[in-house]
Amino acid sequence: AQKVTQAQTEISVVEKEDVTLDCVYETRDTTYYLFWYKQPPSGELVFLIRRNSFDEQNEISGRYSWNFQKSTSSFNFTITASQVVDSAVYFCALSGKETSGSRLTFGEGTQLTVNP
Amino acid sequence: KAGVTQTPRYLIKTRGQQVTLSCSPISGHRSVSWYQQTPGQGLQFLFEYFSETQRNKGNFPGRFSGRQFSNSRSEMNVSTLELGDSALYLCASSLGRASSTDTQYFGPGTRLTVL
Repeated sequence: AQKVTQAQTEISVVEKEDVTLDCVYETRDTTYYLFWYKQPPSGELVFLIRRNSFDEQNEISGRYSWNFQKSTSSFNFTITASQVVDSAVYFCALSGKETSGSRLTFGEGTQLTVNP
Repeated sequence: KAGVTQTPRYLIKTRGQQVTLSCSPISGHRSVSWYQQTPGQGLQFLFEYFSETQRNKGNFPGRFSGRQFSNSRSEMNVSTLELGDSALYLCASSLGRASSTDTQYFGPGTRLTVL
């Protein structure tokens, strides 16, 4: 079975602080895909990034960066110089080619609050 | 390019009734997946449709069903509603070229309340 764990239920920071959201996953698939989505209060899940299991390069996009470590089954997400607009629930998700097809398995989500 | 659209955005029903939710995918996307989001269970996969066929199914009772039309639009139906069906129902579309390789893009969801 596949599992995604986001141990941090809630994080509160002050604007301009850096914050890291943790994601640990379990899968038996050799080929799998990891995702991060943002859910603002409006409810829509906004896609942020996808990472393939065979590509361990870290990625940076503006203030966002992702650290994928296969050895520890982690896919952590860092927001640098956080802003109030970053306040949302962030979900890490996993899709395993062999066992689950296109189905996404989500973590519990981390509620991030950025205070001015 | 327009995103995924879902209608209606809000629904209030009573126990025992049935409901139909609609989803229009991004133009060119052939796969549509449905998810249920509740405070207790989080985000759970319901089913996926590709080329009018159900390709994948989650662990939900038979009261939950869906279909896809030739234009890739999808509907999901919940019969004999229960209080526990109150949730945000999210639809996601993807190109569907191969299982699990395509990113899923989500719509705004339909908030269903069962009284």
